[in-house]
Amino acid sequence: NAGVTQTPKFQVLKTGQSMTLQCAQDMNHNSMYWYRQDPGMGLRLIYYSASEGTTDKGEVPNGYNVSRLNKREFSLRLESAAPSQTSVYFCASSVSRLGTEAFFGQGTRLTVV
Amino acid sequence: GENVEQHPSTLSVQEGDSAVIKCTYSDSASNYFPWYKQELGKRPQLIIDIRSNVGEKKDQRIAVTLNKTAKHFSLHITETQPEDSAVYFCAASKVRDDKIIFGKGTRLHILP
Repeated sequence: NAGVTQTPKFQVLKTGQSMTLQCAQDMNHNSMYWYRQDPGMGLRLIYYSASEGTTDKGEVPNGYNVSRLNKREFSLRLESAAPSQTSVYFCASSVSRLGTEAFFGQGTRLTVV
Repeated sequence: GENVEQHPSTLSVQEGDSAVIKCTYSDSASNYFPWYKQELGKRPQLIIDIRSNVGEKKDQRIAVTLNKTAKHFSLHITETQPEDSAVYFCAASKVRDDKIIFGKGTRLHILP
């Protein structure tokens, strides 16, 4: 049972390049999330998806797009990377709108130069 | 939207002493309050949670209290051990919209 799997684990981009972070969960969870973690800033919600086919903005959505491809997969896309997007990105999932535990992926360390 | 404030940002306690981390939230409709522990280089993991219909919950050395009127909740760790050293995050969510908002974290150091 893999839980939540993110790819890649590390990535270096040049300013202006685009990339997609992939996330997949095998726990049959309805809700999925993307967070970024910066020193002293905690975990900030970028986008979330309460169910397949729906997505909603979180606290810091600017510069990002998401796609809930199916129930298992939730991808995060940076169309034109900026140095301010250097961060550790975490994907998470939870059962549903029941106030339950969120399970996190191992994180993606992204550096934009 | 919901805003979660967490204090202190750093906390150092002697091994064996107690540690308390406090959080406040802004949205009175929030009704689920989890706490996560993140060890260095690892992913956050749930350690305890509480729902708005409960005032206190305990799990061995860890307890969480909730004051709905004041909109604050706290994590209490007793008899601290070296393995308690980590970053702790509080969070708040509303069951109806499923958005989980985190505080900025508390780095806990357990001193020998």
